[in-house]
Amino acid sequence: DGGITQSPKYLFRKEGQNVTLSCEQNLNHDAMYWYRQDPGQGLRLIYYSQIVNDFQKGDIAEGYSVSREKKESFPLTVTSAQKNPTAFYLCASSSDRVGANVLTFGAGSRLTVL
Amino acid sequence: GEDVEQSLFLSVREGDSSVINCTYTDSSSTYLYWYKQEPGAGLQLLTYIFSNMDMKQDQRLTVLLNKKDKHLSLRIADTQTGDSAIYFCAENDSWGKFQFGAGTQVVVTP
Repeated sequence: DGGITQSPKYLFRKEGQNVTLSCEQNLNHDAMYWYRQDPGQGLRLIYYSQIVNDFQKGDIAEGYSVSREKKESFPLTVTSAQKNPTAFYLCASSSDRVGANVLTFGAGSRLTVL
Repeated sequence: GEDVEQSLFLSVREGDSSVINCTYTDSSSTYLYWYKQEPGAGLQLLTYIFSNMDMKQDQRLTVLLNKKDKHLSLRIADTQTGDSAIYFCAENDSWGKFQFGAGTQVVVTP
């Protein structure tokens, strides 16, 4: 079955460490997205990519970095510069074709900074 | 503040209907969406509606769209305990960017 796989599901990080969250999709979607979710808040866009080797900052890109070397993969690195990284991170993809542009989400990764 | 606004909490008895409301800001949004999130999981698309429609029905779900007031609602008929979740309203704005509401926590009581 096609879908989006995020790993790890849970991650603990010490302050000052960089961590990378994996996101892989086999839906043949062109666009991929990273969102951050905090309790009681909507989803906030961190980065998005509409094509391989290209990506754009979202609303809260500071302290994060991404790469898009392959169509299937869009890893997110949470750097030590991110002041409050504890959150639930969601990866999504969309086909960006004519018609309803539906986002398909992964199961999420919960990052906790100790 | 949020461009898409929703009430944060709704309590409903099992078997009753639930109505979740949402207001959005971009009148040029082409599609509007409802997503469901269960605890510790990603978001699952429930349904979406094209902006030139007033209503869409899909089994127990009914979506109503009032473009004049920029108001969207989701009605769940015969609410079950498995419907307990957070429900997100979203729009695809004129820039092609998705804007999500803060989510409505629905709690179904026996």
